[in-house]
Amino acid sequence: AQSVAQPEDQVNVAEGNPLTVKCTYSVSGNPYLFWYVQYPNRGLQFLLKYITGDNLVKGSYGFEAEFNKSQTSFHLKKPSALVSDSALYFCAVRVGNTNAGKSTFGDGTTLTVKP
Amino acid sequence: NAGVTQTPKFQVLKTGQSMTLQCAQDMNHNSMYWYRQDPGMGLRLIYYSASEGTTDKGEVPNGYNVSRLNKREFSLRLESAAPSQTSVYFCASSEAPGVSTGELFFGEGSRLTVL
Repeated sequence: AQSVAQPEDQVNVAEGNPLTVKCTYSVSGNPYLFWYVQYPNRGLQFLLKYITGDNLVKGSYGFEAEFNKSQTSFHLKKPSALVSDSALYFCAVRVGNTNAGKSTFGDGTTLTVKP
Repeated sequence: NAGVTQTPKFQVLKTGQSMTLQCAQDMNHNSMYWYRQDPGMGLRLIYYSASEGTTDKGEVPNGYNVSRLNKREFSLRLESAAPSQTSVYFCASSEAPGVSTGELFFGEGSRLTVL
């Protein structure tokens, strides 16, 4: 079985400060890891992914994520937060290159960036 | 480029009524999925279709049926709606396994209320 934990329901940061949204996972096999963002009343949008290779992956809108195999984590980061980054963020995992629909999502973390 | 289109965007049903949610994608993706999103529970997979002509149950299939009408279209049917099916439903698509790393492309969602 595979699972994802996002330990924080809510993260609050001030504009211009760095942000981190945490994600840990559990899978049997090599993980494919994803971050998605959801703005109010919209569908989810793909942000970035880790498949293999460099542990630091860069994605859309200045976001990056660091894969840590020993800690089974894939935290989302941004050096300088913007008010427009406020949204709901989901981490997702699946095992290897199997059917993508078997991705398992975390419960989501609401990021609020205050001016 | 429309991506993934879902209809209707909003629907109110009475207990016992039936309805079909429609989904179409114009990205020539092989795989399509239906998820439901409930507060604090992330996204849960209802059904998926790895390719045209195939469908499989996901995590929460009870009370739902699906039809992969052709490569573009994947519909979700509620035969006898129950209040527990009040949710936001998302359709998604992706390339087939082995073709890509499987990030999902989502529609804007269909908000269903069952009274």
